[in-house]
Amino acid sequence: DGGITQSPKYLFRKEGQNVTLSCEQNLNHDAMYWYRQDPGQGLRLIYYSQIVNDFQKGDIAEGYSVSREKKESFPLTVTSAQKNPTAFYLCASSIWDLAKNIQYFGAGTRLSVL
Amino acid sequence: KQEVTQIPAALSVPEGENLVLNCSFTDSAIYNLQWFRQDPGKGLTSLLLIQSSQREQTSGRLNASLDKSSGRSTLYIAASQPGDSATYLCAVRDNFNKFYFGSGTKLNVKP
Repeated sequence: DGGITQSPKYLFRKEGQNVTLSCEQNLNHDAMYWYRQDPGQGLRLIYYSQIVNDFQKGDIAEGYSVSREKKESFPLTVTSAQKNPTAFYLCASSIWDLAKNIQYFGAGTRLSVL
Repeated sequence: KQEVTQIPAALSVPEGENLVLNCSFTDSAIYNLQWFRQDPGKGLTSLLLIQSSQREQTSGRLNASLDKSSGRSTLYIAASQPGDSATYLCAVRDNFNKFYFGSGTKLNVKP
């Protein structure tokens, strides 16, 4: 069953703690993305990766870090430098074919601060 | 920088009504435009993808149009049903494979 798996579904962070959100896809997609969604707002791009071992900052990358060591995996770390991390985080992927560039999304991770 | 706006922010209609959701974008240099549906607390599901060279796409009761030169897209939902209640988001893709999202229209279809 192909798709994007995000885990955990809910995550709690203590002050000063780094936490890592997992995103795995078995769609054989080249590109992967991390978005943040705040209540009543659209999605804002945090980081994206077009190929393995390469990634670019999005509009709100400060306080976040990523890695892309495997095609299937694109974990996001929310560092202690991110002062307002409470949000809904969505991972997405797409193929590189310009004519079929549909984004597919995971079910999301809701991060809260303790 | 690309800005995507969706109007209205919320919409409530009786079941059976036809309705139109609007999406506008500031930079017409887009590669395609995608409409998504989001249920509460869930990820996004792709509904329709329109390439920049296309004028419209249809899927069942949904029809999306694109006027690239004026920076507008509409999503038309025919014969709305309570199951259509969700937030609808549009996103434009630029030529560098980045996507820009609107803040969505929250639709409530009353039985």
